[in-house]
Amino acid sequence: KNEVEQSPQNLTAQEGEFITINCSYSVGISALHWLQQHPGGGIVSLFMLSSGKKKHGRLIATINIQEKHSSLHITASHPRDSAVYICAVRYRRKDSNYQLIWGAGTKLIIKP
Amino acid sequence: DSGVTQTPKHLITATGQRVTLRCSPRSGDLSVYWYQQSLDQGLQFLIQYYNGEERAKGNILERFSAQQFPDLHSELNLSSLELGDSALYFCASSVASGQETQYFGPGTRLLVL
Repeated sequence: KNEVEQSPQNLTAQEGEFITINCSYSVGISALHWLQQHPGGGIVSLFMLSSGKKKHGRLIATINIQEKHSSLHITASHPRDSAVYICAVRYRRKDSNYQLIWGAGTKLIIKP
Repeated sequence: DSGVTQTPKHLITATGQRVTLRCSPRSGDLSVYWYQQSLDQGLQFLIQYYNGEERAKGNILERFSAQQFPDLHSELNLSSLELGDSALYFCASSVASGQETQYFGPGTRLLVL
């Protein structure tokens, strides 16, 4: 079982729909990142969370540390939101070094 | 434009060769992260440097090594290249080594023939 699981793997929706992408993890973390990768390959960091909720424009990210779960929401989705959304968690290993573990990504397509 | 630069943009080489990828972080950022993205493996964290020292290690092969120089730029060295090393290699930087947002460079696309 992967330590970071994202769902769904693929999501196709119509423009204007409310989108939710989920991320569950099994390790104790110090932070969780949501990133966006466009078809051209470029990666943009969307949010870094350690607790609660963050909002930026039409994007909202929440995290529940007790349930080891995070969600990324997109309101009023638009075709330009089409991308792969990746969840990554940061945790501290026994040797005190930090490690990042990545989810497999969710491919989102928004149709006009 | 994230402020993170990577060179070269593209690199084509042969199996068994050695290459060096370069990353310049955003001005003021002390941490540099290296990632590998291949078609079948997704995005893999390789290694992190903070202010010149190794901070965290991920799935980095022994044939690969990295360093961060006093001016904070970083190099990723890939040796004894194999066909499977063909991938997009990203560098990211952040202000410190904790919970900051990471800013990604445009990547270096490596093709091993």
